[in-house]
Amino acid sequence: QKEVEQDPGPLSVPEGAIVSLNCTYSNSAFQYFMWYRQYSRKGPELLMYTYSSGNKEDGRFTAQVDKSSKYISLFIRDSQPSDSATYLCASKTSYDKVIFGPGTSLSVIP
Amino acid sequence: GAVVSQHPSWVICKSGTSVKIECRSLDFQATTMFWYRQFPKQSLMLMATSNEGSKATYEQGVEKDKFLINHASLTLSTLTVTSAHPEDSSFYICSARALQGTEAFFGQGTRLTVV
Repeated sequence: QKEVEQDPGPLSVPEGAIVSLNCTYSNSAFQYFMWYRQYSRKGPELLMYTYSSGNKEDGRFTAQVDKSSKYISLFIRDSQPSDSATYLCASKTSYDKVIFGPGTSLSVIP
Repeated sequence: GAVVSQHPSWVICKSGTSVKIECRSLDFQATTMFWYRQFPKQSLMLMATSNEGSKATYEQGVEKDKFLINHASLTLSTLTVTSAHPEDSSFYICSARALQGTEAFFGQGTRLTVV
């Protein structure tokens, strides 16, 4: 079983839709949870960084972590074509090693 | 966020030659740098962790003698792929962070093609 699992998609939504991206993880020691956005042929860009369970909102983006079910979510409101990218969830313990999910490819259609 | 610059963005080399990839932190001192490898439509796989002035720590299955990592200064780490073969063709990405527990920032990646 991979430590971080994610549906690779692809996911296609119309512009303006609410997007829901999800991950599950298996390591109970994970304490930090991140979402990265990666455009084609580019390095990942950190979108959200959360510690332990709870919600975090930043503009159109909301990250949710439920440690009891080992479930991580990212919601994108009012999606835009520029949101089209691959979204990677990632987790880590208190140490440095970050474990990435395989990424979900998202296309927002104008 | 802080800026991490990776060079070159892409490189094509002949089988059997060596290729060096540079990772620089432009506006902060990076005590730790991480090197990842990413195959098409797959996630990032950590290859090694390097701390400035120390030997790199390699992940299981990563050949130390093939992927040479040097982190001689607080702003520069290099990854050298020695005796490259077509199966080494991949997207290599570095990330850098200042202090333990702080956010790590990614470079833009280097696409290596070995022909």
